[in-house]
Order: sequence, then structure tokens, then C-alpha cells
Amino acid sequence: KQEVTQIPAALSVPEGENLVLNCSFTDSAIYNLQWFRQDPGKGLTSLLLIQSSQREQTSGRLNASLDKSSGRSTLYIAASQPGDSATYLCAVSSGAGSYQLTFGKGTKLSVIP
Amino acid sequence: NAGVTQTPKFRVLKTGQSMTLLCAQDMNHEYMYWYRQDPGMGLRLIHYSVGEGTTAKGEVPDGYNVSRLKKQNFLLGLESAAPSQTSVYFCASSHTKPRKINQPQHFGDGTRLSIL
Repeated sequence: KQEVTQIPAALSVPEGENLVLNCSFTDSAIYNLQWFRQDPGKGLTSLLLIQSSQREQTSGRLNASLDKSSGRSTLYIAASQPGDSATYLCAVSSGAGSYQLTFGKGTKLSVIP
Repeated sequence: NAGVTQTPKFRVLKTGQSMTLLCAQDMNHEYMYWYRQDPGMGLRLIHYSVGEGTTAKGEVPDGYNVSRLKKQNFLLGLESAAPSQTSVYFCASSHTKPRKINQPQHFGDGTRLSIL
């Protein structure tokens, strides 16, 4: 059974700092990996999707990397801003049918002005 | 530009009552999903649908039923609510299977359900 772990569970950084969020998964046979953002009381917004054949994806100040063989992904946020404060979730698509996304429990990020 | 809309946003039920959660998407997506999010558990898939008239079980389907009579709507029903079903429920949709290239799932804002 696929398991996804995100470390740390919470992170507080001063504005302007670069930071890295970590995601690990137990079964390397994945189709893709997604990073989501969740604001309090809101749904999930997809930030980046990395196919299993890709090593990284970039969108603005965000860069996500994937090392499928070691079962790891990182989300790099450059020059953090208070508006980046949210919970970041990692999810992998794997297994027969691939309909099910397996989610990590998230990292709650606070960017202090 | 509505995307995925869930109704209601909040609901309080008594044990044994029934209710239906409605999800509507205006993106002409084939695939729709219902998840529940619980503290310390992450999101878990309840049921999903790969097209109008089809439904299938996810990871935690017990106690729930679903219907997809129209492509744009996906209903989640609780026939006899239990306190263990207190959770935040999210609906999502996508064009194709999650494994397809560049086809992320789009989520609604959630329904917060409390069972007393």
C-alpha cells in the first residue's frame, strides 16, 4: 500500500527566505506526483504536476523535483512571501487504474512578515 | 468561472439522519471524485466516477452511496449518518485519469459536516 509522508508537519520562516518542503513515498511505481496548496477553509489548488518520466517542474517561484527511484520529491519556494502561508500537500498517483491519489498529511507553512 | 461547486458548505446532522451532498462542475470533465479529509489522516478517496452513469468504490466507501446521472453532477449520499462520518468532504474533477499527462484534479471548497 502506497504511503506518503511529508516533513516537516509545520514550518515558520521569515519573509524573503528560500525554503524546501519534503515529500516521500513508499512505492516508486508512480504515474505522477502533484503538489497542492490548501488555504484555511478552502479546497485544494494544484500547483505543480510532475510526470514519472520528469525530474522537475517550475512555475514562477516554485520548483518541484522528483527522484522516483528514491521515492522523494521536494517543493522549493524562492523568496517566500506572507501570501505563501498555507498548507502544502503532496499526492501521488499509483497502482492499478491510477484513479486514486494518495495524499500526504501536509506541511503547514507560515511566512512571517 | 465557477469550476467545482459544492453544496451545502456546512451542515449539522443527528445520528441516523440522511442527506445528500451535491457537486457540480462546469468544465465538461469526465472524471469526478469524492474525498474526505480528517485531522491526522489526510485526504482519502470515498467514491469516484469515470463518466455519466458510472461509479466505483475508493478507499473508504462504507456508509456512502453516490450517483452520476448527469455528467456535470456527482452526488454523495449518507443514508444513516454516524458520528464517524464527521469530516470535511471535497469533490474534485478531472479530464482523464490522474496518470494522464498534465491533467490535475480540480477541487471544490468543501462541505463541513458534523454528525451529533
